[in-house]
This record gives sequence, C-alpha cells and structure tokens, in this order.
Amino acid sequence: QVQLVQSGAEVKKPGSSVKVSCKASGGAFSRYTISWVRQAPGQGLEWMGGIIPTFGTANYAQRLQGRVTFTADESTNTVNMELSSLRSADTAVYYCARLSGSSWYREVDYWGQGTLVTVSS
Amino acid sequence: QSALTQPPSASGSPGQSVTISCTGTSSDVGGYNYVSWYQQHPGKVPKLMIFDVTERPSGVPDRFSGSKSGSTASLTVSGLQAEDEADYYCVSYTGSSWVFGGGTKLTVL
Repeated sequence: QVQLVQSGAEVKKPGSSVKVSCKASGGAFSRYTISWVRQAPGQGLEWMGGIIPTFGTANYAQRLQGRVTFTADESTNTVNMELSSLRSADTAVYYCARLSGSSWYREVDYWGQGTLVTVSS
Repeated sequence: QSALTQPPSASGSPGQSVTISCTGTSSDVGGYNYVSWYQQHPGKVPKLMIFDVTERPSGVPDRFSGSKSGSTASLTVSGLQAEDEADYYCVSYTGSSWVFGGGTKLTVL
C-alpha cells in the first residue's frame, strides 16, 4: 500500500522560509508525478505545482513562481517543497499528492497527511 | 489562471439527487477531458471521486457520476446519504497546470 508521510507542523516568522518533506513508501516513486496542494484555514484547495522525480522536471504555479522550489531525492524516495519569503497568507495545510502517472494531467491517487505551516510574528 | 466557478453550497434530502456544477473556460474545462472531483470531510484529506470527467475510481459508489458540457463539468450524487455531506472540489488540467474550483459545501438535510 502506497503511503506518503509528510514532515511535522511548522511555525515560521514572516520573511523566512519553510521546507516540507514528503516520503513515499510501498510503491514505485520515481516515475510518478508528485504534486503539492495547499489549503488555507477555512478555504479551498490551491495547486502549487509538482515534480517528476525521475526526470527532475518541476512545474510551478505562476502565482508562486520564484518563491517555491521542489526537489526530489530518489535514494530516499523523498520530495521536498521549500517556500520562501513567507507571509501570513501562506498559513495553510500543505499536502503532497501522488498522481496516477507521470503526466501532469493525471489525477491524485494518494495524498500525504498534510503539514500545517503557520506564519506569524 | 482564475479559479473554476462552483456554487458555494448545495443541499438535498436523503435519497434525492444533487448536481454540483463547475464552470471554467475553453482553456481548462472546455479544452480538456481531464476534470476530477474530490470530496473532503472536515479535517480530512481530500478523496478522489471522479477523474477524466466521467471515470469513477474503484471503491467509489456508483451513486457518484460526472459529466461535462462545453466549459461546465458537473458532479451528480444520486440517492443522497448522510455520509455524502462534505465539501466537493472540481479541478481541471489547463495544458500546463491545474486550476481548482472554489468548493461546494454539500448538506444532506
């Protein structure tokens, strides 16, 4: 059974950066796209982008471009999401999500448990 | 990329059918047959209910169905049950990215 296990909750100051990890187990890792989706408190889902580990190809949401970076470590089956220049509006639960294939249009078949990132002075 | 338009709320009585719409443009919903629907209960992780407009993953009851006409996709829940009360999100591929709808809170009366 595929599992995506994310790192724990974070509290950050405005202007700082946060790194959230997503470790996959129980299935193939490299050839599936890993996307990131966030959800601000009481709000809807927002696509942040994703990465195909085997190619190292990343795709970023336009509104986050320049602030977000995805990296993949195939040796540990881990994908990382780093968001910089944090602001209060970045307070959200961050989910990693495995797509059903390597294509960007595939649907999510497995989700991580979510990581709450709180940005507060 | 603007969010897809969903009604904020929908409701129905047990046993009834409810349809939730998801309106986009020719650049997303209207241009690709890659629309998915996710169900999210409070405090829980989203769950895939429909993908590729009409396809249902194994384990999802056949009470859930999807369709599309032009730039509007729809999710229909037939034979409403109490456990269907949740938030529902549509999402569409745009050729290079995804765009989500704002979500619809489905209430079972």
